Amino acid sequence: DSGVTQTPKHLITATGQRVTLRCSPRSGDLSVYWYQQSLDQGLQFLIQYYNGEERAKGNILERFSAQQFPDLHSELNLSSLELGDSALYFCASSPLGGPTDTQYFGPGTRLTVL
Amino acid sequence: KNEVEQSPQNLTAQEGEFITINCSYSVGISALHWLQQHPGGGIVSLFMLSSGKKKHGRLIATINIQEKHSSLHITASHPRDSAVYICAAHRYSGNTPLVFGKGTRLSVIA
Repeated sequence: DSGVTQTPKHLITATGQRVTLRCSPRSGDLSVYWYQQSLDQGLQFLIQYYNGEERAKGNILERFSAQQFPDLHSELNLSSLELGDSALYFCASSPLGGPTDTQYFGPGTRLTVL
Repeated sequence: KNEVEQSPQNLTAQEGEFITINCSYSVGISALHWLQQHPGGGIVSLFMLSSGKKKHGRLIATINIQEKHSSLHITASHPRDSAVYICAAHRYSGNTPLVFGKGTRLSVIA
């Protein structure tokens, strides 16, 4: 158990809908990362937060947004969903968000868009 | 061409064999990470390397900064080592701090 929790574990929804994925980091970790893993693309970095502020942004679609709240939990919002958004979404946390930090991964949320 | 390339893509080994997985990267990095993804999907960080070599149990990871190459070795492999091993490069600069290889799927047969 990494100490990172993600909810829900599974989500099935329809095209055009909006969903929110939630992540609680390990106790004491200030940085949260979001990743998408699809069968054909592998793991891809979406966005990183540190202590409530956006630190880095990767290949995140405009239909996706995220935030980190004062209690350090984070939410990833996916809107106008398309079939291609079906993937595993992982959240990870690390103490300070630096390149040499170990990242601790949550169990993932499996999103299926029908 | 991907910025991080792993080889082989798939690997089947007999229990007890010595295994090597390779990772080459084309970007300047501040660190390289090796991750293990279990068949159930969970991801565990195995190593963070910025230079040299690290060892944890039967796992050894090395990095050659000049050659932009890292290897993950598993000694005395066991069926429980069956997983996907992913290399991730933490770039010096650019918007995407972590760039991932596509992974190496390892199956160890008893």
